[in-house]
Amino acid sequence: QVQLVESGGGVVQPGGSLRLSCAASGFTFTKYGMHWVRQAPGMGLEWVAYIRSDGGHKDHADSVKGRFIISRDNSKNTLYLQMNSLRAEDTALYYCAKEDKDYGDYFAFSSWGQGTLVTVSS
Amino acid sequence: DIQMTQSPSSLSASVGDRVTITCRASQSISTYLNWYQQKPGKAPKFLISAASSLQSGVPSRFSGSGSGTDFTLTISSLQPEDFAAYYCQQSYSSPPTFGQGTKVEIK
Repeated sequence: QVQLVESGGGVVQPGGSLRLSCAASGFTFTKYGMHWVRQAPGMGLEWVAYIRSDGGHKDHADSVKGRFIISRDNSKNTLYLQMNSLRAEDTALYYCAKEDKDYGDYFAFSSWGQGTLVTVSS
Repeated sequence: DIQMTQSPSSLSASVGDRVTITCRASQSISTYLNWYQQKPGKAPKFLISAASSLQSGVPSRFSGSGSGTDFTLTISSLQPEDFAAYYCQQSYSSPPTFGQGTKVEIK
């Protein structure tokens, strides 16, 4: 079965950096696009970033563009999110999510990890 | 960006009730509409894709309909395990966007 395990969250000061990881198993990682989706405390869901199965195409939400970078290592079945210049409004639970179908940009999230909490505070 | 608006934001219902949640898109999205269920402290769960395709393992009391700009999620007979938040999401164009959520609570 699909398993996605996020790590790397924590407390960071405004302006700081963090790198999130998502270890994937139970499916052929190299076939699927992957996403990061976040949820601020008590709030709804916000898409953050997407990377195509081969890493050849990336897309980021305007709210994080220029500060966050999504990447993947297909040899390690791992997804990453490098987060720089963090702001208080980036405080959220960050989920990695798997695309619903293989080899395409469908933007439907069929499986989710349990999330990793990022808190930006001085 | 395409705006997704759900109604109501919350509702109270009893076990056995029929529940309908509405989702409206700010422009036509054909049937590129997905639904998720989220229970407190848990990750979202993928319920329905392409407006009406039930995901494997999702009970048949859940159904989705609609196209263009107006969509509905219906629970035909609410069960105790259905009390949760529900989100619609458009996959028509990037950025993918979610509705603000509908919280289904016990009456």
